[in-house]
Amino acid sequence: GQQLNQSPQSMFIQEGEDVSMNCTSSSIFNTWLWYKQDPGEGPVLLIALYKAGELTSNGRLTAQFGITRKDSFLNISASIPSDVGIYFCAGQGLQGAQKLVFGQGTRLTINP
Amino acid sequence: NAGVTQTPKFRVLKTGQSMTLLCAQDMNHEYMYWYRQDPGMGLRLIHYSVGEGTTAKGEVPDGYNVSRLKKQNFLLGLESAAPSQTSVYFCASSYGLAGGPEPRTQYFGPGTRLLVL
Repeated sequence: GQQLNQSPQSMFIQEGEDVSMNCTSSSIFNTWLWYKQDPGEGPVLLIALYKAGELTSNGRLTAQFGITRKDSFLNISASIPSDVGIYFCAGQGLQGAQKLVFGQGTRLTINP
Repeated sequence: NAGVTQTPKFRVLKTGQSMTLLCAQDMNHEYMYWYRQDPGMGLRLIHYSVGEGTTAKGEVPDGYNVSRLKKQNFLLGLESAAPSQTSVYFCASSYGLAGGPEPRTQYFGPGTRLLVL
């Protein structure tokens, strides 16, 4: 089946630093989504990207939909303690059931 | 709106026992999904439904059955639980092709932690 490669798998940073993570795929997707998961909770949508080349911001978060439609990145600027969690990318097809294919996740740890 | 809710939150089963996980959404979403999450593997799709009365297999359907008798509910059943089914189960829903403000966005429930001994 389709797979997404998400990197890095984990990050240990100091508060205030910027963060960058990315996802690549062997398949084309029509939508890229970035979710954050806190411990014991379900994933919460951060940013949705619908067009190749699209660059979208949500506060300190910025994400881009790659031109080839096979990759996406997420940047977090000036990290704060509440940014701690696991970040997942997900690719979505346009047709049918619009199923999501998830990356393995990036675990973010922040040292105050 | 409560969004997507799941019951129970946590359950321990013995091998061979059966159980049903319930997912409910109050957003009038057309599509519903069941995922499982295992360490280091992200979320994998078990079964999904594109409307009331319809279900389909996802990536890892073996050992599970589902039913969508009402639009707002999506049930996941384990007929004979196995230790390999120890996982965290998430339900999600979306407007899907029926439209809505964000047709493709999937909203997730808080999860059900299942331990099979």
